[in-house]
Amino acid sequence: RKEVEQDPGPFNVPEGATVAFNCTYSNSASQSFFWYRQDCRKEPKLLMSVYSSGNEDGRFTAQLNRASQYISLLIRDSKLSDSATYLCVVSSFSGNTPLVFGKGTRLSVIA
Amino acid sequence: DAGVIQSPRHEVTEMGQEVTLRCKPISGHDYLFWYRQTMMRGLELLIYFNNNVPIDDSGMPEDRFSAKMPNASFSTLKIQPSEPRDSAVYFCASSETSGSTDTQYFGPGTRLTVL
Repeated sequence: RKEVEQDPGPFNVPEGATVAFNCTYSNSASQSFFWYRQDCRKEPKLLMSVYSSGNEDGRFTAQLNRASQYISLLIRDSKLSDSATYLCVVSSFSGNTPLVFGKGTRLSVIA
Repeated sequence: DAGVIQSPRHEVTEMGQEVTLRCKPISGHDYLFWYRQTMMRGLELLIYFNNNVPIDDSGMPEDRFSAKMPNASFSTLKIQPSEPRDSAVYFCASSETSGSTDTQYFGPGTRLTVL
């Protein structure tokens, strides 16, 4: 089983739609969780961290379910500029260890 | 700050040639990471350094790959000899402290094509 699994998509949604991505992780000891965004032919950039209590940043909401070992990202009122690949990222363990990246979910927002 | 700087941005070479990728991390960042990204395998960690010391190189595919960090502001990833299956985008990233809790800042990547 891969450490971080995501539906590769693509998700094709109209402008203004709400879209949700899920991600599952295999290591129950994982302590840190993130969503990164990667535009076509660009580098990944941090979109938001994911906290146990859930967190919101404008139109973006991230949630963590430790019992089921999944993370979600909800995007409301989709914009054309949201078109990108969204990478689910998990730390292997707490402490000084690097991150494990999912392969990403591709989103296309259509006018 | 200029961010993480990588060079070259594109590299096309022939099988068997030596390839050297370069990275300058963000000043003051203690951690440096080298990743490889392909469609099939996604983003894979190759090696990472803490304060210029290699910590984990278990992701390095084989002996043809080597990485160095002679000082806090420079790192290289070398492939010798290169093979067509090495074609990928290679990213360098840096973070201020622990990679598991801090934001990793990625460079623009080097797109490598081995013919």
